[in-house]
Amino acid sequence: DSGVTQTPKHLITATGQRVTLRCSPRSGDLSVYWYQQSLDQGLQFLIQYYNGEERAKGNILERFSAQQFPDLHSELNLSSLELGDSALYFCASSVESLAGLNEQFFGPGTRLTVL
Amino acid sequence: EDQVTQSPEALRLQEGESSSLNCSYTVSGLRGLFWYRQDPGKGPEFLFTLYSAGEEKEKERLKATLTKKESFLHITAPKPEDSATYLCAVESNYGQNFVFGPGTRLSVLP
Repeated sequence: DSGVTQTPKHLITATGQRVTLRCSPRSGDLSVYWYQQSLDQGLQFLIQYYNGEERAKGNILERFSAQQFPDLHSELNLSSLELGDSALYFCASSVESLAGLNEQFFGPGTRLTVL
Repeated sequence: EDQVTQSPEALRLQEGESSSLNCSYTVSGLRGLFWYRQDPGKGPEFLFTLYSAGEEKEKERLKATLTKKESFLHITAPKPEDSATYLCAVESNYGQNFVFGPGTRLSVLP
């Protein structure tokens, strides 16, 4: 158990809909990262937040957005869903080490199925 | 553009048969290289961080090494419970970019 929690575990929805995925980081971690993992694409970095502020952006679509709240939990919002958005979505958290490295600890993921 | 490749794509070993997994990277200023283990349908589990060429880290049957262009994950006398996908990732000094490789799917047969 990494200490990172994600809800829900599974989500089934229809094309065109909007969903929200939630993540609570490990106690003391200020950074939260979101990743998408599909069978043909591997693990793709979407976005990082650090203490409430956006810090880095990866391959995140305009239909997707995220935020980190004052209690440090984060939400990933996916809208106008398409079949191709079906994937595992992982959240990870980290505390920056003295060397400035971000060892990330992953949650169990949310499996999104778009029908 | 930062890139990570891993080889082989899949590896099948007999229990006790040692081997190595390769991670090759191209990054504009390596800040750190990470190894993760991932079981099917679960989140990646952190194994090691390496951040300078020549560095080595060990944990049980696993040893990770780093050169300027690649990293190796050596598995000594593996057991069936070592079966998993092993992911390599790099963090760049520029733009806080995190790139994961496609992984090596390891199967250890009893």
